Amino acid sequence: DAKTTQPNSMESNEEEPVHLPCNHSTISGTDYIHWYRQLPSQGPEYVIHGLTSNVNNRMASLAIAEDRKSSTLILHRATLRDAAVYYCILREIYNQGGKLIFGQGTELSVKP
Amino acid sequence: NAGVTQTPKFQVLKTGQSMTLQCAQDMNHEYMSWYRQDPGMGLRLIHYSVGAGITDQGEVPNGYNVSRSTTEDFPLRLLSAAPSQTSVYFCASRPGQGGQLSNTIYFGEGSWLTVV
Repeated sequence: DAKTTQPNSMESNEEEPVHLPCNHSTISGTDYIHWYRQLPSQGPEYVIHGLTSNVNNRMASLAIAEDRKSSTLILHRATLRDAAVYYCILREIYNQGGKLIFGQGTELSVKP
Repeated sequence: NAGVTQTPKFQVLKTGQSMTLQCAQDMNHEYMSWYRQDPGMGLRLIHYSVGAGITDQGEVPNGYNVSRSTTEDFPLRLLSAAPSQTSVYFCASRPGQGGQLSNTIYFGEGSWLTVV
């Protein structure tokens, strides 16, 4: 499975947008880009995923570079409840068993 | 809707003891898996199952057994606990859609295991 690279930590102010970057230079054409987040003492939670086009949902937006070698998770207005570790994960399209390869993720802290 | 339920939430074991971590999901998901998370690390896959009666090894399977006799349940057995198995364990499930990937993986809240 292709690997991803994320900054170890980022800080944001409450009510401001947050852009969480992810590099995946060895991505293959059949890899989806997934984002999960893990709040303290909880299991990971799905945030968003995409293949080639930018994606929006109620939680966040996902901006995917044209060459697909990088992506950015966008939280439009950070709240204190968004403080978590965010994982950018590549998942092959025909991956069976729900296997996810987790890196160390980006720990996002949000200041009031 | 309970989702993915894990028990127990906390457990302390002595080295050499055996135990079973229980996982149940009520969403009729085909795929279930177990991960472990060590301090400051991402999750690593232990075992997974693509349906009742079918299991396979993940990245770190040694010291663990699984079985899948029903769609709902996917227990994880520690055969002879070791301090290196001190970790947080997460069970996960997702629906199966004939190999196409577009769906979400749902995680339980975790089981904190300490082996002394």
